Amino acid sequence: GQQLNQSPQSMFIQEGEDVSMNCTSSSIFNTWLWYKQEPGEGPVLLIALYKAGELTSNGRLTAQFGITRKDSFLNISASIPSDVGIYFCAPLEYGNKLVFGAGTILRVKS
Amino acid sequence: GAVVSQHPSRVICKSGTSVKIECRSLDFQATTMFWYRQFPKQSLMLMATSNEGSKATYEQGVEKDKFLINHASLTLSTLTVTSAHPEDSSFYICSAGTGGGYGYTFGSGTRLTVV
Repeated sequence: GQQLNQSPQSMFIQEGEDVSMNCTSSSIFNTWLWYKQEPGEGPVLLIALYKAGELTSNGRLTAQFGITRKDSFLNISASIPSDVGIYFCAPLEYGNKLVFGAGTILRVKS
Repeated sequence: GAVVSQHPSRVICKSGTSVKIECRSLDFQATTMFWYRQFPKQSLMLMATSNEGSKATYEQGVEKDKFLINHASLTLSTLTVTSAHPEDSSFYICSAGTGGGYGYTFGSGTRLTVV
């Protein structure tokens, strides 16, 4: 079956630093989504990517859809305390089902 | 934007009883809704795809008689955990598709504790 790897597993950074996380897959996808989940809440969509090579920004967040359609990264610039949470990549597979990565736990030290 | 309401947010039940969780799309119609389960510090695992007016499609390893799904209207899907046991304690989250692969909106989740 297809494998989805998300890294890093966790990050503990200083406020103001930039953050980068990525996902790689053994399968090709046509859509990559990035979500953020805070404790006790459902995931919230951050960025959606639809085309290979696409680079999209949402405020301090920037995500890119890899040219091979097998990977994606998410960058957060100038991190702030409210960036704390779990970030998931979630490519969309056949049947319109989302496949979730293992998640990246982000902690910010102020 | 698209809003998905999930209720209840928390529920505690006794072993052997059944619990129903509701998922509503508030400002759009969702022909397809999805139910996920999430254990502490783990990712979301898809349990089933709920299709309006037809039977749900369950992922491998998910007991359909244990987790009953009903999607009777374009705005409501329900998940019933039947004869609940402590190992069913988990965070259950629903999502609704807004169509065309334009992303999915998630409910706020239900924390189920079976005692």
